[in-house]
Amino acid sequence: GAGVSQTPSNKVTEKGKYVELRCDPISGHTALYWYRQSLGQGPEFLIYFQGTGAADDSGLPNDRFFAVRPEGSVSTLKIQRTERGDSAVYLCASSPLSGGDGTDTQYFGPGTRLTVL
Amino acid sequence: GQSLEQPSEVTAVEGAIVQINCTYQTSGFYGLSWYQQHDGGAPTFLSYNALDGLEETGRFSSFLSRSDSYGYLLLQELQMKDSASYFCAVRDDKIIFGKGTRLHILP
Repeated sequence: GAGVSQTPSNKVTEKGKYVELRCDPISGHTALYWYRQSLGQGPEFLIYFQGTGAADDSGLPNDRFFAVRPEGSVSTLKIQRTERGDSAVYLCASSPLSGGDGTDTQYFGPGTRLTVL
Repeated sequence: GQSLEQPSEVTAVEGAIVQINCTYQTSGFYGLSWYQQHDGGAPTFLSYNALDGLEETGRFSSFLSRSDSYGYLLLQELQMKDSASYFCAVRDDKIIFGKGTRLHILP
């Protein structure tokens, strides 16, 4: 596709349920990032993939959060036993480069708005 | 700890110039980026500075001083469509975003 896509755009779930959020990056982009953004805040880093492997998962808040990218393209963020505090917009971004030299522009998807009741 | 500081809100007049400052404290540093985000939209990349100095891209310019751990975004010839939130972000081993500056533009 032309840009990063995320599905679903909105997800409402009940406390304690399991959810999966999907990200389709720009074709050919090797780097993929997940962020969480609460109202009035900047994106908060969760995890970064370089290819299929998680290069940095230090931003995942606890072991209820997990993400995969099995074929180096689509990624799924999985949240177990959701809590009300998990409510936020979950953003995915992709980049053609791995970073380090910092020149990689990140292209963000529209996000998934997660609401935990 | 790692932190980025930027003003929460800035107000300017259409056609004017506005500067949004960002100071950072991080354990590592590769570069400073700026992103724009309209309400309900996704962040979009504006500029990036890895070295000291000014980078110009159309009406937007960005400045970095690594020795001062400081940068700014300069928006010229403001248009109403520039009303948005602006985030500075530092690339360390990962990307760390500031809390954002809400830019209000008055006609």
